[in-house]
Amino acid sequence: GDSVTQMEGPVTLSEEAFLTINCTYTATGYPSLFWYVQYPGEGLQLLLKATKADDKGSNKGFEATYRKETTSFHLEKGSVQVSDSAVYFCALSDPPNTGNQFYFGTGTSLTVIP
Amino acid sequence: GAVVSQHPSRVICKSGTSVKIECRSLDFQATTMFWYRQFPKQSLMLMATSNEGSKATYEQGVEKDKFLINHASLTLSTLTVTSAHPEDSSFYICSAQSGQGSQETQYFGPGTRLLVL
Repeated sequence: GDSVTQMEGPVTLSEEAFLTINCTYTATGYPSLFWYVQYPGEGLQLLLKATKADDKGSNKGFEATYRKETTSFHLEKGSVQVSDSAVYFCALSDPPNTGNQFYFGTGTSLTVIP
Repeated sequence: GAVVSQHPSRVICKSGTSVKIECRSLDFQATTMFWYRQFPKQSLMLMATSNEGSKATYEQGVEKDKFLINHASLTLSTLTVTSAHPEDSSFYICSAQSGQGSQETQYFGPGTRLLVL
């Protein structure tokens, strides 16, 4: 079945460091891929998404490219800020095969220190 | 972007009482909404899919008589935790689906933290 595997955290970085959070997926068909961010005490916010192979989603300096050949959707940011401290979830949606259900990774906690 | 609200944001109740949580899509209509439960430091677990005008579809292991879901309109779904017990304490998050096909996206509410004493 469909699933998402995320790198385990927690991740601690200094401000302005480069960030990569790995995400790989398994899917029957051609899913859409998402990154969500959850700030402390809040719900999930959509950060970016990509709906087909080679698409690049980007938002707030974060980027992720849909790589079909490696079944990956790694999240990157060139220079993190303290305000980026949050939990990041990779997710996929594969409606033709799994209906409306989203599959989430386990989340990666990021702490950015000044 | 699409906005989803939840009310209340936080609730504390006594064991044995029922609690209702509302989920609203504020600027779009959602025929489908979802209810998730999140335990501390864990990912979201889908509890049920709520469809406007029809019965909810529950995931395996979720008690439909305990977690009552009503999707009364295209902008409102409610989750009622009946006869709540301390083990029901959790963070409940709803989402509403917008768009179709490849443009389909789920937008999440801010969550409701339930504490049952």
